[in-house]
Amino acid sequence: DAGITQSPRHKVTETGTPVTLRCHQTENHRYMYWYRQDPGHGLRLIHYSYGVKDTDKGEVSDGYSVSRSKTEDFLLTLESATSSQTSVYFCAISSRLAGEGETQYFGPGTRLLVL
Amino acid sequence: AQSVTQLDSQVPVFEEAPVELRCNYSSSVSVYLFWYVQYPNQGLQLLLKYLSGSTLVKGINGFEAEFNKSQTSFHLRKPSVHISDTAEYFCAVNGVTGGGNKLTFGTGTQLKVEL
Repeated sequence: DAGITQSPRHKVTETGTPVTLRCHQTENHRYMYWYRQDPGHGLRLIHYSYGVKDTDKGEVSDGYSVSRSKTEDFLLTLESATSSQTSVYFCAISSRLAGEGETQYFGPGTRLLVL
Repeated sequence: AQSVTQLDSQVPVFEEAPVELRCNYSSSVSVYLFWYVQYPNQGLQLLLKYLSGSTLVKGINGFEAEFNKSQTSFHLRKPSVHISDTAEYFCAVNGVTGGGNKLTFGTGTQLKVEL
C-alpha cells in the first residue's frame, strides 16, 4: 500500500447538502490529486495540489473545491451536492509531476451517492 | 491536447489463453504512457510504464506492453492469463511538454478470465 487512506469509504447524501471527502497520506509526497471515476469516462481529474495551500483545477472542477492545510491531508468539498456528482472518488499522490513520468499512487476510493 | 482510446470495453478470454488489450493515443508532443489495473472495489495500481528507451516494457504479474510511435499505440499483452487477472485495465498518457500535471486516462477495458 502507498500509505493513502480516504474517508469516508461510502457516503449517501441528499441533493443540496455539503459533503467533504478526506484524503490522508503518510508518504510526505508533494503532489496530491482528486479524480472521479464514472462508467464510460475512465478517471477525470477534478483538482490537484502541488504543495500546502497550492492547488489548481483539473478538467471537471465545476461544483468542487479543495483545500490543503497540511502536507498529509487533501480535502475535496462538494458545496451543494447534485445527483450528477454521484461517483467514485479517488485520491492519488506522487512525488513528482505527472509530466515528469512519475507514477501516481491511488487510494481505495470513496463511493458517493447523491439522492 | 492529448487523448487515449481503448476500443475494447470488455474482453472475455479463457484461462491460460493469451490476451491483448489495445490502447491508442493522440498527442502533439512526446509522451509518457502508463497501464494501471483496478481490481474490484480497489484503487488503481501501476502495471507498467514507458518513459523512454526500449519500446518493450515489462511490468508486474507477467504483463508487457510495446510502445509503437508510428502507430501511436501502447498495447498490453500477456501470454497466458489467470483467473486472478480479472480486473479493469486503464491506459493513460501524459505529454512530456505541455501535458502539465494531467494524466489522461482511457475509458478502461474490463478483462474477464473464464475457466
